[in-house]
Amino acid sequence: AQSVTQPDIHITVSEGASLELRCNYSYGATPYLFWYVQSPGQGLQLLLKYFSGDTLVQGIKGFEAEFKRSQSSFNLRKPSVHWSDAAEYFCAGASTGGGNKLTFGTGTQLKVEL
Amino acid sequence: KAGVTQTPRYLIKTRGQQVTLSCSPISGHRSVSWYQQTPGQGLQFLFEYFSETQRNKGNFPGRFSGRQFSNSRSEMNVSTLELGDSALYLCASSLSQPSETQYFGPGTRLLVL
Repeated sequence: AQSVTQPDIHITVSEGASLELRCNYSYGATPYLFWYVQSPGQGLQLLLKYFSGDTLVQGIKGFEAEFKRSQSSFNLRKPSVHWSDAAEYFCAGASTGGGNKLTFGTGTQLKVEL
Repeated sequence: KAGVTQTPRYLIKTRGQQVTLSCSPISGHRSVSWYQQTPGQGLQFLFEYFSETQRNKGNFPGRFSGRQFSNSRSEMNVSTLELGDSALYLCASSLSQPSETQYFGPGTRLLVL
């Protein structure tokens, strides 16, 4: 079965520190991969997406993610975290031939200490 | 360009009732997907509609249904509400393919008493 796993439920970082949020996927073929962010009471905002090609993907708000086929991973990174980055982050996958059905990970709640 | 809008934003119902939620996609988007978000189960895919046809369906009971109109607006209906149906229901729209970004609405928060 297709699945997306986010091993870290909560992560706390200091403002200005670097950030890496982990995501692993299990699909028969390489899926489309996404990172979304959700602030309290809000919907989901797309940070970045990977379909093919360059394995390092740049997104909005200074985020980037690296696709590693050998590790079935798509980790999200940011070199310097701002207090406003505190939110919940979701990794998601979609089969290349499966329409718009997103399978989400369980999310990682990011807390930023000032 | 207006974003995805969902109405109502908040809803309180009692067990056994039914509810209809509405989603208006971004202009020009033909695909509308629905997701349920709960603290226990996380974000789960309900169904996707494209050009008035259900294209994908998640693993939810038949009490959950949806439809899409010719203007791409979509509704989802939940009949015989259960306490466990309390959740944030999110709608997302996109042009067509998974390679195109899905834009999410703010959600409808449903509380079943």
